[in-house]
Parts: sequence; structure tokens; C-alpha cells
Amino acid sequence: DAKTTQPPSMDCAEGRAANLPCNHSTISGNEYVYWYRQIHSQGPQYIIHGLKNNETNEMASLIITEDRKSSTLILPHATLRDTAVYYCIVRVAASGNTGKLIFGQGTTLQVKP
Amino acid sequence: NAGVTQTPKFQVLKTGQSMTLQCAQDMNHEYMSWYRQDPGMGLRLIHYSVGAGITDQGEVPNGYNVSRSTTEDFPLRLLSAAPSQTSVYFCASREGATGELFFGEGSRLTVL
Repeated sequence: DAKTTQPPSMDCAEGRAANLPCNHSTISGNEYVYWYRQIHSQGPQYIIHGLKNNETNEMASLIITEDRKSSTLILPHATLRDTAVYYCIVRVAASGNTGKLIFGQGTTLQVKP
Repeated sequence: NAGVTQTPKFQVLKTGQSMTLQCAQDMNHEYMSWYRQDPGMGLRLIHYSVGAGITDQGEVPNGYNVSRSTTEDFPLRLLSAAPSQTSVYFCASREGATGELFFGEGSRLTVL
């Protein structure tokens, strides 16, 4: 199963772009990269996911390197409400496509005024 | 749609007591799972289910039982609670193999 490595914490100024890196050097060809975030003690919230191509939605952009060994989540204009723990997860490949997600420690993003 | 509903939100147990955490979803999702989160740590997968009648173990299954008799419900049972099971428990569901997980609001359990 591919593992991910994220910095434990990052700061970002309000209104600036937040770039959160993730290393997944052992990712397999059929494994997706997912990003979730958890604000305070709430349940995690889905942000975005991708396989090979870069993805964008209303919340964020996901940039995946060509060799797929790393990715970056971009929050284009961070606000104080984006302060949260961000999890980069690689979907575990399992028989029957169960697709269970294994969460790591994540990156605590602190957006500062 | 209510999404994923967990009950109770808070519970205090004594060591050795049993209880069931309830999880229900109204999105007709086949996949459901239970996670626990200890203070300052990420989520760890306890058990999951890919459909009614099918369950499997996650990373930390010991001390917990699950069953999936309907698509909507996925209860988590603690047969003999231990202080090490003090945690916040999250239930989640997903429509397909690659879709997003929808999480409940969590159930905060304290075992004395």
C-alpha cells in the first residue's frame, strides 16, 4: 500500500495561495490521490481527488507530477476558515475494489490574518 | 437528505460495559466504514463494509464488532469497553469505489 508523507504544519497569510505538498513515491498506477480536511473536531470533509491529470473544483486545485510520486493541493485564496488539518491519502488497492482510505497524520494549516 | 447520522453524540461508559454506536445514511451508499480518532492523531480505520451482509476489518478492529443487515445502517458494537477505547468515532459512507467519503459528525466516547 502506498504511503504518504506530509509536513506536519504550515502557515499561510490570509488571501494568499496555500500550497500543501504530499509525497507518495510508492504509488501504484491504479491508485488515486485524495485530499480531505478536518476543521477542529468535525468530521473530515472531502476536497478533491485525482489519478493522473491535474484537477480543479470550487474548493481547490490538485497538481500531480508526471511521475505521480508527489502532488500539491492549492487553495487559491486562503481564508481564516481554511485553518484545518489537511490529509493527503492514496486509495488502497484491494480485491473487490473496496477502496478503503487510510488516513495519516496530515498537515495542520494555520491561516493567519 | 440527512446524510450520515451518528448516535449518540456523547457517551460515558464504565470499564466492562457494552454499547452500540449507531450509524445511518440515507444516500443509498454501498460502502460504509468506522474510524476512530484519538487526541492529536489522524483517523484509523476500524471496520468497513462494501454492502449489506459484507464486512471486513480495518487497521484497528480488536474490541469492536460490526454487522450490516441493511444498506442504510452500520452499527459498531463495543462488547466490553476499555479505557483505551476512549476516542471520537466517525462513521462514513461512499457511493462507489472512487467517490468521496461523507462523514458523520462523530460520537465522543469516554470509558472510565
